[in-house]
Amino acid sequence: AQSVTQPDARVTVSEGASLQLRCKYSYFGTPYLFWYVQYPRQGLQLLLKYYPGDPVVQGVNGFEAEFSKSNSSFHLRKASVHWSDWAVYFCAVPTNTGGLSGKLTFGEGTQVTVIS
Amino acid sequence: EAAVTQSPRSKVAVTGGKVTLSCHQTNNHDYMYWYRQDTGHGLRLIHYSYVADSTEKGDIPDGYKASRPSQENFSLILELASLSQTAVYFCASSGQGGGNQAPLFGEGTRLSVL
Repeated sequence: AQSVTQPDARVTVSEGASLQLRCKYSYFGTPYLFWYVQYPRQGLQLLLKYYPGDPVVQGVNGFEAEFSKSNSSFHLRKASVHWSDWAVYFCAVPTNTGGLSGKLTFGEGTQVTVIS
Repeated sequence: EAAVTQSPRSKVAVTGGKVTLSCHQTNNHDYMYWYRQDTGHGLRLIHYSYVADSTEKGDIPDGYKASRPSQENFSLILELASLSQTAVYFCASSGQGGGNQAPLFGEGTRLSVL
């Protein structure tokens, strides 16, 4: 079955420092992959999505992610963190290989805390 | 503008009572989903639907029913609410196209069962 692991439950980063959030997936074949962000008391918003092709994907607000098939990873990065990046970040993979639905399997999320 | 609207945004229910959470989308999407989020955990799929008047079980359907009376509306029903159903519930919608569709999420409903 498809699965996603986010090994870091919490990450604390200084404002202006770089950020990397790890995501490891299990999927039969080459997947589509997603990163969502959840700001406090809000719903999930799409940061970026990966389609098979260029391994580096650009997202909103300066985020990018890099796909690695050999490492089964899809890590999220940002060069310079802003206080507004304080949020929970979720990595997700389609639940089913093939099919028409957009059902997703989510990781448990990484809470990012920004300090000054 | 594409949107998924959930109501209510928060609710307190009594154990054994009936709870209905509503979701409305204006995206002309075929697929709609109900997810549950527990503190410190990711989202788990409860029910989903790909067409009006039809619903499918997700990964954790026990204790929940779903209803899709129209393409735009999708409800989650707790017939006998229990303490263990205290959580945040998210509705989402997506178009057809398979695994490359990124669901659009609502703001969530915070449910407390006492």
